[in-house]
Formats: sequence, C-alpha cells, structure tokens
Amino acid sequence: ETGVTQTPRHLVMGMTNKKSLKCEQHLGHNAMYWYKQSAKKPLELMFVYNFKEQTENNSVPSRFSPECPNSSHLFLHLHTLQPEDSALYLCASSQARWTSGQAIYNEQFFGPGTRLTVL
Amino acid sequence: AQTVTQSQPEMSVQEAETVTLSCTYDTSENNYYLFWYKQPPSRQMILVIRQEAYKQQNATENRFSVNFQKAAKSFSLKISDSQLGDTAMYFCAFDAQGGSEKLVFGKGTKLTVNP
Repeated sequence: ETGVTQTPRHLVMGMTNKKSLKCEQHLGHNAMYWYKQSAKKPLELMFVYNFKEQTENNSVPSRFSPECPNSSHLFLHLHTLQPEDSALYLCASSQARWTSGQAIYNEQFFGPGTRLTVL
Repeated sequence: AQTVTQSQPEMSVQEAETVTLSCTYDTSENNYYLFWYKQPPSRQMILVIRQEAYKQQNATENRFSVNFQKAAKSFSLKISDSQLGDTAMYFCAFDAQGGSEKLVFGKGTKLTVNP
C-alpha cells in the first residue's frame, strides 16, 4: 500500500447504526486530518491530529468521534447520524515540524475518500 | 474570515487547447500560501501547484501555471495543451498563515476536456 488509504470506500448506514471509517497513511507523516466533502459546498475541515494529539475540532457534532491511536492511523466513529451527514469523507496527512515553538505543516496528501450514505 | 471564491462551477475545453480557471480570495494576512488541487472522477485529490504570497514569480509545473495577482487577491490556474486526463474537479485552497494545518477551499470548478 502506498500513500493514504481509506476503508471502506462506500458505506450505507441507518440513522441508528454505529460504524467506523478508517484511514491509514504510509508516508511517515505525523499529522492527519478528516474532511467532509458535500455536493456544491467547499471541503470542510473536521478534525486535525498532530503527533496523535487533536489540535482542531471545527465545531463538529458529537455524533462524529475521531480517534488517532498512532501517527499512521486515524478513525472516525459514527453513531446516530442524520441524512444530511451523507457526503464524501476525506482523510489527509502531512508532515509537521516544530520551528520556534510553532508547528509548520507541509503539503497535505489525500486519500480516496469514503462515500457515506445515511438512510 | 478568509473566503475562497471560484466563480466558474463548470468549464470545458478542447483537447490541446488552453483553459484558465479563476479563483479569488479574501484575507488581511500577508504571508499566506495558495494551492490548486485536482480531484479526478472517483480518484484521489492531488496537489497541482502551490504559490507562496511572498514570492513575486508565478509558480509553474509543466503544463500548469498560475497568474498570481496579490493586490487583486486573484489566483488563476492556466492549463496549457489540455489532455483528456485533465478532466477533474479543480479546487483552489488558501492557507492564511503559510504552513498552517487549516486549508480553506473553494467550491471547485468541474473541468471537462473534450476530444
């Protein structure tokens, strides 16, 4: 496997289900991201993890729960979703370095996404 | 708040011709980065080109080049000698701090290259 992989590629779930999206990066990066891509809307940043610590939660509802057990893996746990949560969920990774106490992030590499449909 | 506007939801071009995709942004920052990403149908989004605001020279990557007009807050992408494989969604993105983890994306332009 190379780059950023995501599983499953497609997921259909009911509003009462619990499911998880998985992302794995094979690039040796230390920062990982979840984005939501809805039709005719800009990509929305959901969560950022840097060195396994969550550094950004962009006002995401609690029915989305991220988990980053190590710098190569990122999960998005889903429960009691709504139909409007149907979208393409993209994972990305990048390399971050510390300079003068500030994290500097390089280019983001994206996975192919998980197409989620909530019925 | 920073915003990115792509005013062309869809565009088409004939193979081998040149096409320009427009992007404007709004910011009060100075040391920002701008990007164009390409998302082919059912495939991964990849970075096409990047421009740092402090650089006056326009970035170029093979057939892809940008026209960066800092005062006008404009960042257009020119694709020369268009190929069928250039068919994709193109997203303009903005990093206000230059090297931050937060990218602000436009809504995208769907480009179709016709044979």
